[in-house]
This record gives sequence, structure tokens and C-alpha cells, in this order.
Amino acid sequence: EIVLTQSPGTLSLSPGERATLSCRASQNVLSTYVAWYQQKPGQAPRLLIYGASSRATGIPDRFSGSGSGTDFTLTISRLEPEDFAVYYCQQYGSSPRWTFGQGTKVEIK
Amino acid sequence: VQLHESGPGLVKPSQTLSLTCTVSGGSTNSGDFYWSWIRQPPGKGLEWIGYIYYSGSTYYTPSLRNRVTISVDTSRNQFSLNLTSVTAADTAVYYCARSVIRTNHFDYWGQGTLVTVSS
Repeated sequence: EIVLTQSPGTLSLSPGERATLSCRASQNVLSTYVAWYQQKPGQAPRLLIYGASSRATGIPDRFSGSGSGTDFTLTISRLEPEDFAVYYCQQYGSSPRWTFGQGTKVEIK
Repeated sequence: VQLHESGPGLVKPSQTLSLTCTVSGGSTNSGDFYWSWIRQPPGKGLEWIGYIYYSGSTYYTPSLRNRVTISVDTSRNQFSLNLTSVTAADTAVYYCARSVIRTNHFDYWGQGTLVTVSS
């Protein structure tokens, strides 16, 4: 099973600052199969990035994804008030097919 | 595309949890997508449970494989989850979601339904 470890667990930042979220896989993952989601309290996750670096429909360009192999990054260039949420990375591979990281909470400093 | 989960919000221990996901604006009869169930215990992360393809083929996460069944009714544009012998550890928000086959990301999710296992 591929384990995804996200860091940091919590990121305390102010609006306008840059957020850099890390997702490290226990084995190599195909970039095609890496995605990032945003989840706000009481809501379902929302797709932000797929294929490691492609923005989903309607996602602002302040969100960007990068990485390959075992290390992937989600960057939010300038935090807006609505960006404070929990972010999950996800990979698809061998059994159990889909796994998620444990999440990074981006909170207002 | 919209997905909507429905089913009991309270299930007794040892009984079977049954949920249905109704899809609108898209077809469960399409070969371009997998239809999955994902759960999230309160305050915790996401766990993928399993998927079904329009043909009826399924794949389940190993830790739940002996208790899970996912089925599809393409005529009603619905797919369903059955989880047997539930315990308190199965208390979670259950989401249904669609994934795109080529890239295997989840592009549409239901709003989620909380299922509590308690006597």
C-alpha cells in the first residue's frame, strides 16, 4: 500500500501570504494519478488539481501543483479568506487503489 | 453532474449499513467513469471504500473487502453500498463520488451523509 504523508499538519498564515503544502509518497507514484482536494467544514472535498499540476475547472490560478516521483506540492500563491480549509492529496495505484494523505489544515494566523 | 446520497442515518451494531447514490446530469452507464464510495470518520481523513464500473465489475479496499458490496442500477442511474456487521468504527460521513478513468481523480462528489452506528 502506498502511504501519503502530508506536511505540515497545520499551517498558520495570514491572508495574502504564500502557502506551500507537501505530500510525500512511500513509493513512486505516477504524476498522472496525483490529485489535490480542498475541504471546508461540513462540505464534501472539492477537486483542485489533478495529474499533479492541472487545475480543475473553475479553480483560480493562485492554486498550482507540482512534483514527481514521491514528492508533490500544492502551492497557493496568495491566500484569500476563502482558502482557509483542509487540503488532501490523493494517489491512485495498486491495492487499495486510491489513498489519501491525512490532510493539512491551513488556518488564519 | 450531481450526486446525492440517501439512507438511514442510524444503524445498530452488527446490522447492515445500506446507502444509495443517485446520479443526475451524468450516466452510470458510461464507460468513462468509476463510481466510488468514500468515508470520513468524524474529525478524521478520507478512506476510499470501493468502486463499481458500469459493467458491474467492482473493486474494494482490502480492509473492508469481506463486508462490502457495491452494486449499480443503470436504469435508475443509481449505485449502492452495503456494509455488513457494522461497529462504532464504521461511524462516518459517507460520500459517493465519480472518478475519471484516465486520470483517476474524483471530479464530482455527493454532499455526504452521516451514518452513526449505535444501539
